[in-house]
Amino acid sequence: DAGVIQSPRHEVTEMGQEVTLRCKPISGHDYLFWYRQTMMRGLELLIYFNNNVPIDDSGMPEDRFSAKMPNASFSTLKIQPSEPRDSAVYFCASRFGTGPNTQYFGPGTRLTVL
Amino acid sequence: AQSVSQHNHHVILSEAASLELGCNYSYGGTVNLFWYVQYPGQHLQLLLKYFSGDPLVKGIKGFEAEFIKSKFSFNLRKPSVQWSDTAEYFCAVNGASNTGKLNFGQGTTLQVKP
Repeated sequence: DAGVIQSPRHEVTEMGQEVTLRCKPISGHDYLFWYRQTMMRGLELLIYFNNNVPIDDSGMPEDRFSAKMPNASFSTLKIQPSEPRDSAVYFCASRFGTGPNTQYFGPGTRLTVL
Repeated sequence: AQSVSQHNHHVILSEAASLELGCNYSYGGTVNLFWYVQYPGQHLQLLLKYFSGDPLVKGIKGFEAEFIKSKFSFNLRKPSVQWSDTAEYFCAVNGASNTGKLNFGQGTTLQVKP
């Protein structure tokens, strides 16, 4: 399996622009997670889905952030409009079931908002 | 609610020194415990995990962790660190009555001096 796939790997945009990050989970995994990592705040869970349904979005910073999972093999995280403080590495992760099953992380998207 | 605490935020060691990173969690039921490692510029990868049986768990690269239920702890150890162990280490917990979400600690940055 190719693992969790994220695109793009790097994104540089200007303040006010819309940014869309993409994630393809590992086939068969029914949980998908979006995280944000910064030096100041560390690793933060933004939102997660189970069977394509958002379960907990309490970590989404504000209305500028939205996430969708239209099917089991694809999810997007959108920021509109983007701001410089959104600059971070965004990780997608997926997992099959609960309990001791391992959660696998994607390579991340490094977002820079100028 | 489950929470995970990593007491050491930044650890600096010389090569060949022994390592112990603390992890405590707050959850009274059955738990599954994980240690993840994030090498510089990379994504989080599973180091080891515990879900049942022998409380001393062996992981990759010579790491091990001991689950002590009475202390709600899952400390990570390595007898002799190498420069290549320089990374950030995250402890994570998933309770039995969980929602599929891993609760991560804030991470410990390990710097190994050659």
